[in-house]
Amino acid sequence: SSELTQDPAVSVPLGQTVRITCQGDSLSSFSASWYQQKPGQAPVLVIYGQDNRPSGIPDRFSGSRSGNTASLTITGAQADDEADYYCNSRDSSGNSFFGTGTEVIV
Amino acid sequence: QVKLQESGPGLVRPSQTLSLTCTVSGDSILVNGYYWNWIRQHPGKGLEWIGYIDYNWSPYYNPSLKSRVTISMDASKNQFSLELSSVTAADTAVYYCAREGVYFYDSTSSGENWFDPWGQGTLVTVSS
Repeated sequence: SSELTQDPAVSVPLGQTVRITCQGDSLSSFSASWYQQKPGQAPVLVIYGQDNRPSGIPDRFSGSRSGNTASLTITGAQADDEADYYCNSRDSSGNSFFGTGTEVIV
Repeated sequence: QVKLQESGPGLVRPSQTLSLTCTVSGDSILVNGYYWNWIRQHPGKGLEWIGYIDYNWSPYYNPSLKSRVTISMDASKNQFSLELSSVTAADTAVYYCAREGVYFYDSTSSGENWFDPWGQGTLVTVSS
């Protein structure tokens, strides 16, 4: 399957750690990238590759992958982290897939 | 700093063609290795990849939209464009343009990709 599946929502107490997962066949070949989207705003890249953060993204965001599952971890969640999070991957043909999205509630 | 900006009509009549342009500033659209994408988001829903045009001017489309989509590039204006034909209310969405970086590991069958930056998005409503 080319779909990327995420849990619809997750709740985390302020300052605690939350892990968001993304499952799909394409993840066995292409690493996931992760995007944060706040209401009314465009998505913002927070993690790409094995565990790379773009400039300006806090180091409390980290990524990992195991087989067909990618994970985004927020260590010490802040109120500002409340948002929707989407994973993305692609296949060798060039098709790109976004995950179903996870709402993080802090 | 690379910036992307979408432009185009906010209202399109059913059965007509939706046309949007993404203007890129801060770098050339012909820089090797980047893919220029269109992505949309239906109201209250998730992200849907539409397709891209790469630095070799080659387009590639989501199979589910392929019959109606055309993505083209105007290097002289540092722009790329989206056309979506025969629109219906189901095409009402916020449309984003985004630059995609891709790094292949040992072959084109594995690697990593990322979308950065994104345009701010533009809402297109299909209605009579």
